Amino acid sequence: RKEVEQDPGPFNVPEGATVAFNCTYSNSASQSFFWYRQDCRKEPKLLMSVYSSGNEDGRFTAQLNRASQYISLLIRDSKLSDSATYLCVVNEEGRNAGKSTFGDGTTLTVKP
Amino acid sequence: GAVVSQHPSRVICKSGTSVKIECRSLDFQATTMFWYRQFPKQSLMLMATSNEGSKATYEQGVEKDKFLINHASLTLSTLTVTSAHPEDSSFYICSAIAPNPRSGSYEQYFGPGTRLTVT
Repeated sequence: RKEVEQDPGPFNVPEGATVAFNCTYSNSASQSFFWYRQDCRKEPKLLMSVYSSGNEDGRFTAQLNRASQYISLLIRDSKLSDSATYLCVVNEEGRNAGKSTFGDGTTLTVKP
Repeated sequence: GAVVSQHPSRVICKSGTSVKIECRSLDFQATTMFWYRQFPKQSLMLMATSNEGSKATYEQGVEKDKFLINHASLTLSTLTVTSAHPEDSSFYICSAIAPNPRSGSYEQYFGPGTRLTVT
């Protein structure tokens, strides 16, 4: 079983749609959680950190459920520019802080 | 935010040769950098943790004699792929941890990646 598992996708949605991505992690020592965006043949870029209290940044909302070891990302009012691969990323703390474990990513294509 | 650069961005080499990839932190000091590899349609896999002034820590299954890492200064880590083979063709990405002045927390910043093709 992979340490970080994501929806396999791909997701093809029309502009304006709401889309949700799910992610689960298996390492209970995980302490930091992130969603990254990766465009084709580019490096990952941080989209947002994920906190237990949930956090929102414009059209993007991220949620963390530590008990279920589950992370989600909700994108509202999808734009064409949201088309990318979304990576769920989990870090440990302490000595292993900074060592990121990546999910395989979920590809989103927003169509006109 | 913090900037991490990589050089070269793209390299093509012949099988059996060695290739060096540089990773630099441009506006901050990084005692630790990380090297990842990404094959097509797969996610990033951590190869090793590069520690300034000491030996790198390799992940299970990564050959330390094949992927030589040198972190000689606080702003530079190098990855040398020795005796490259076509199966080493991949996208190599480095990262470093730096404080985000806006949030006050530490974030991981990725270099733009190096696309290696071994023929």
